Formats: sequence, structure tokens, C-alpha cells
Amino acid sequence: ETGVTQSPTHLIKTRGQQVTLRCSSQSGHNTVSWYQQALGQGPQFIFQYYREEENGRGNFPPRFSGLQFPNYSSELNVNALELDDSALYLCASSHPHVETQYFGPGTRLLVL
Amino acid sequence: AQTVTQSQPEMSVQEAETVTLSCTYDTSESDYYLFWYKQPPSRQMILVIRQEAYKQQNATENRFSVNFQKAAKSFSLKISDSQLGDAAMYFCAYRSANPSYFGNEKLTFGTGTRLTIIP
Repeated sequence: ETGVTQSPTHLIKTRGQQVTLRCSSQSGHNTVSWYQQALGQGPQFIFQYYREEENGRGNFPPRFSGLQFPNYSSELNVNALELDDSALYLCASSHPHVETQYFGPGTRLLVL
Repeated sequence: AQTVTQSQPEMSVQEAETVTLSCTYDTSESDYYLFWYKQPPSRQMILVIRQEAYKQQNATENRFSVNFQKAAKSFSLKISDSQLGDAAMYFCAYRSANPSYFGNEKLTFGTGTRLTIIP
């Protein structure tokens, strides 16, 4: 167990809808990163939040957005869902002076 | 941009034997970190081992060790005395250590190697 939690575990949405995924970071970690893992692929970096500000973004469109709260928990929001958004979404937290990221169990999103 | 390549989509090993998973990467940076993560069917990504590029000594964690060849940009994982619980997807990952990107700690992953343990 890493101490990083994510909710919900599974989610089914239809194309065009919006979804919010949540992540609680490990105690003492103020950096949260989000990754998308398509079936059979390695995780792809979406973005990172540090002290409530977006601090780095991967090759994802603006309909992928996020928030980080004062307690360092985070949300990933995806608008106008597309079929290709079906994936496992992983959240990872880290301490700014420690290079290792610790992952949550992920949220499996299915878009129909 | 950095890239990570895992050329073995699947590997299998007899229980109690030794197996080596391969990883190569491409970067123009001199200071970085490399990781091996394990992802069992439960989906949780678990850190197996990490290596700092500035350290010449290969990292070791119990039955897991790496062969880090900086000049060749190679980072293989050796699992000794394989156990049934080692069955999982294994991902190699890269992270820059560039201090000018403080807070930007994105991991770049390979496509993974599925390891099967044969009883």
C-alpha cells in the first residue's frame, strides 16, 4: 500500500459526457501527477500539480483539466468524453525532495 | 524528448530461476533517474527499484538488481529466485533530474514486459 487513494474504482460514461476523478496523495506529498494508461500500453503523462498550480503538461488537449486543493488532494476532469478516453487513470504523489512517485490503484474509465 | 524502449513484450521464467528484463532509453541529459515499476493484475503500480544516473554502482533490492550501462543507455532488471508473486507487467521509466524543472517530475514509461512465472 502506498497511501495514495483514488475514487471511484470503475466508471462508465457515454461519449460527450464529463467526468471527475479524484486522488488523495500520500501524507506529506505536495506534488500530484496524473497518467493515462490505455490497454496494453505504458502510462502517459497528462499533467502535474505542485502547490495547487499546474506544473507541467503532456500532450493532452485542454478538455483534460485538473485541480489541486490545499490538502494536496487532486481532481482530474475530462470534458466532452471520446471513446479513446477509455483507459486506466493513475494518480501518483511525490515529495519535492524525493524523486520517487507513489501510485494509487487507478480508476478504470469506460466510454461507450 | 526522452524515450524508453522495452523490446520484450512477454517473458517467462521457471519458478526459482533468474530472468532479465531489458530496457533502453534515449536522452541528451546527463543527470536523471531510472525506475522499474511492477503492475500486477490488481493494477497498482509498485516501485521495484530505482537508479540515480550519477551513481556508478548498480542498485539492488533483495532479489532485484539492475545492470545500468550509462554509455549504452541500457537499464536491465534481473530477478533472482523468481517467485509466483513476481508475475506482473514490468515497466521501465525515466525521470529528469534537471533542477531547472523543480516540481516537473514526469515519468516517461516504456510499453512494458509481461512476466509469467512457470510453477
